[in-house]
Amino acid sequence: GDSVTQMEGPVTLSEEAFLTINCTYTATGYPSLFWYVQYPGEGLQLLLKATKADDKGSNKGFEATYRKETTSFHLEKGSVQVSDSAVYFCALSDRYNTDKLIFGTGTRLQVFP
Amino acid sequence: NAGVTQTPKFRVLKTGQSMTLLCAQDMNHEYMYWYRQDPGMGLRLIHYSVGEGTTAKGEVPDGYNVSRLKKQNFLLGLESAAPSQTSVYFCASSYELGGAGEQFFGPGTRLTVL
Repeated sequence: GDSVTQMEGPVTLSEEAFLTINCTYTATGYPSLFWYVQYPGEGLQLLLKATKADDKGSNKGFEATYRKETTSFHLEKGSVQVSDSAVYFCALSDRYNTDKLIFGTGTRLQVFP
Repeated sequence: NAGVTQTPKFRVLKTGQSMTLLCAQDMNHEYMYWYRQDPGMGLRLIHYSVGEGTTAKGEVPDGYNVSRLKKQNFLLGLESAAPSQTSVYFCASSYELGGAGEQFFGPGTRLTVL
């Protein structure tokens, strides 16, 4: 079945460092891809999404490009802030079987001043 | 708009007790979902609803029941709680089914079963 694999955390960075969180997927159809973020004590909220190959999603300085050839959707940010400390979830939805999102296990990011 | 709200925020139960978690949304979304979040396992779908009066099983439905009597509310019930149901429960809603559109999440309910 469809699945999402994320790099294990925690990822620990100093403020202004470059961030990459890896995400790869397995899907039989044509998935849409998402990054959700969960700040401490809160529910998940959509960070960015891409619905077809080569699309780039971006928001709040974060970017991710839908790479069909490598089945990847890596999250990047050029300069992280302490306020970016959170858990990041990669997820997919099969366009032809859209009854649910399939989430990765989440990657905790800790940014120190 | 309050978005998606969940009650209660925290609850401790003893094995065998029952309880109901309430989810409410004010965005007029047709679709609603219940997830559980466990360490190292991401979010797993318990049940979902595609409209008032409908429910469907997700990935991990055993031990849970749901009802959608009103469009804005989605209830999750545990008839006889077990320690394996200790988890954080999230409700979500969306205007498109599943992940075709954005899902909006509530703040979660932390449940401990002793």
